[in-house]
Amino acid sequence: AQSVTQLDSQVPVFEEAPVELRCNYSSSVSVYLFWYVQYPNQGLQLLLKYLSGSTLVKGINGFEAEFNKSQTSFHLRKPSVHISDTAEYFCAVTPTSGTYKYIFGTGTRLKVLA
Amino acid sequence: DTEVTQTPKHLVMGMTNKKSLKCEQHMGHRAMYWYKQKAKKPPELMFVYSYEKLSINESVPSRFSPECPNSSLLNLHLHALQPEDSALYLCASSNTRLHEQYFGPGTRLTVT
Repeated sequence: AQSVTQLDSQVPVFEEAPVELRCNYSSSVSVYLFWYVQYPNQGLQLLLKYLSGSTLVKGINGFEAEFNKSQTSFHLRKPSVHISDTAEYFCAVTPTSGTYKYIFGTGTRLKVLA
Repeated sequence: DTEVTQTPKHLVMGMTNKKSLKCEQHMGHRAMYWYKQKAKKPPELMFVYSYEKLSINESVPSRFSPECPNSSLLNLHLHALQPEDSALYLCASSNTRLHEQYFGPGTRLTVT
């Protein structure tokens, strides 16, 4: 079985400051990893994904994440946030065997302050 | 076109009503999903269709009945729901090779 932990339920940060949202996972099998963003009253939008290869993954809207297999982490970073980045961010994993089951973390609410 | 559409956007129904939610995608994805999301919680998987066949049912009550008429359409039929079923219902689809899911905007369901 897999599990995803997002320890920070809320992260307040000032505009133009850097931010890191933490994600740790547990799995006995290989997984693919994803970060999704959800704006109020909308569906989820894929920010970035790690399938294989380079452990530093770049996504949309200036976000990037680094896969660390030894620490089973996939932290999301942005060097300079904007007010428009205020949203809920979900980390998710799915087994590489293709089970169609995506396990989501509990989410981190990023609030960007002016 | 990387869009998943869902109708209706909002739905209010009584506990004795029958209604349906509709989801459509034209990306050629052969996996389609229904999720339920309560406020401030992550999406919970309900059903997965793969190549138009039901492949996962996460022990969802029978008052929810999914249907996949063709590779582009996914329905969720609702009957005799309870107030605790009020939530945002999200549809998603995925390319079975690339694995990333594309989500629709959701249907906000209120059961009165």
